[in-house]
Amino acid sequence: EDQVTQSPEALRLQEGESSSLNCSYTVSGLRGLFWYRQDPGKGPEFLFTLYSAGEEKEKERLKATLTKKESFLHITAPKPEDSATYLCAVQASGGATNKLIFGTGTLLAVQP
Amino acid sequence: DTEVTQTPKHLVMGMTNKKSLKCEQHMGHRAMYWYKQKAKKPPELMFVYSYEKLSINESVPSRFSPECPNSSLLNLHLHALQPEDSALYLCASSQDDRPQETQYFGPGTRLLVL
Repeated sequence: EDQVTQSPEALRLQEGESSSLNCSYTVSGLRGLFWYRQDPGKGPEFLFTLYSAGEEKEKERLKATLTKKESFLHITAPKPEDSATYLCAVQASGGATNKLIFGTGTLLAVQP
Repeated sequence: DTEVTQTPKHLVMGMTNKKSLKCEQHMGHRAMYWYKQKAKKPPELMFVYSYEKLSINESVPSRFSPECPNSSLLNLHLHALQPEDSALYLCASSQDDRPQETQYFGPGTRLLVL
């Protein structure tokens, strides 16, 4: 069964304290891995798509990387406005073509 | 522009009411989705429309009825809902339904069923 696991469930950082969020996946064949940011009561905001192992993408203080088993979202010198839930989702080659399988998310709190 | 809009933002309804949620996008996307998200849980796929045709129904109860009047609009008709249907309902769209296409989400409709 296709599965996505995110860790930690929650993370509290001081402003400027860099860290990484993990997304581990077990799928029959990875077609794409997606990172989203979600603020409370809002819809997920798209951050990155990664397609193959070794790929990296960067946007401001965020950098996403991908291996054959997991993805990391690195946050460099975070600010309070980076506080949100970060969701990882995968598309697998088995099953419905474009169905997203989500992890349960990491709740990030950045304190000033 | 990657904007998906949803109305209303909030909805309160009784179990005997009929209401509709509306979703709109003007990005020329040909695939549109409905998701349900309970508190502190990830989004769960309900329906997928591809080129205005229903392509995926994730065994959703018939009290939820989707409709895609045209390529820009997606509706979700609600009837005889239960309190456990209270959730954030998210609409999303993508260029088409091919794998690897990014899905862009709207802000959601917060639904409370009394």
